[in-house]
Amino acid sequence: DTGVSQDPRHKITKRGQNVTFRCDPISEHNRLYWYRQTLGQGPEFLTYFQNEAQLEKSRLLSDRFSAERPKGSFSTLEIQRTEQGDSAMYLCASSPGTSGSEQYFGPGTRLTVT
Amino acid sequence: GENVEQHPSTLSVQEGDSAVIKCTYSDSASNYFPWYKQELGKGPQLIIDIRSNVGEKKDQRIAVTLNKTAKHFSLHITETQPEDSAVYFCAASRIGTASKLTFGTGTRLQVTL
Repeated sequence: DTGVSQDPRHKITKRGQNVTFRCDPISEHNRLYWYRQTLGQGPEFLTYFQNEAQLEKSRLLSDRFSAERPKGSFSTLEIQRTEQGDSAMYLCASSPGTSGSEQYFGPGTRLTVT
Repeated sequence: GENVEQHPSTLSVQEGDSAVIKCTYSDSASNYFPWYKQELGKGPQLIIDIRSNVGEKKDQRIAVTLNKTAKHFSLHITETQPEDSAVYFCAASRIGTASKLTFGTGTRLQVTL
């Protein structure tokens, strides 16, 4: 399968713990996006990478959130000191960039904070 | 920033009928409008998109229309089938910079036999 992959698919954690999610984009896609989706809502933009550079962050991305894309390939999203309000589906998407605007989403990581 | 509104929130049609979902956007600079289908427990799947230099686009049973003046766009599904049942999201963005997507709130489509 050459689509976007995410790991883990599900994560249950206790409030206050740190969690890290991984996204592997479609090969050769230089743009990578993170979105968050809560129940009954559309995805909301969190942050965006062009190759290894993080070029934009949403106001939704508090100081407890950090994202990296160290070699311009896979990306990680870390949430420190998780709160119950962080419970959501975290979606990763990749795009070829330049002339291609299409974003292709992975299956998401469902986070539950207890 | 961009704001996208989507209607209806739920839609029930009989198999074989047509379904129409409508969206409006607020930012006149938006020029790319994709539609996604999301099934339970899965990520959104891109099904069709349209750019602002085109008024209509078709792909088999699916079509999208865009009215730039009114700032609204619609998804049309003809000859609906049970496997079309899912949540559909519209989105808008500006091609060029981050091209981040702003999504509508979704339409749950139920195709009954």
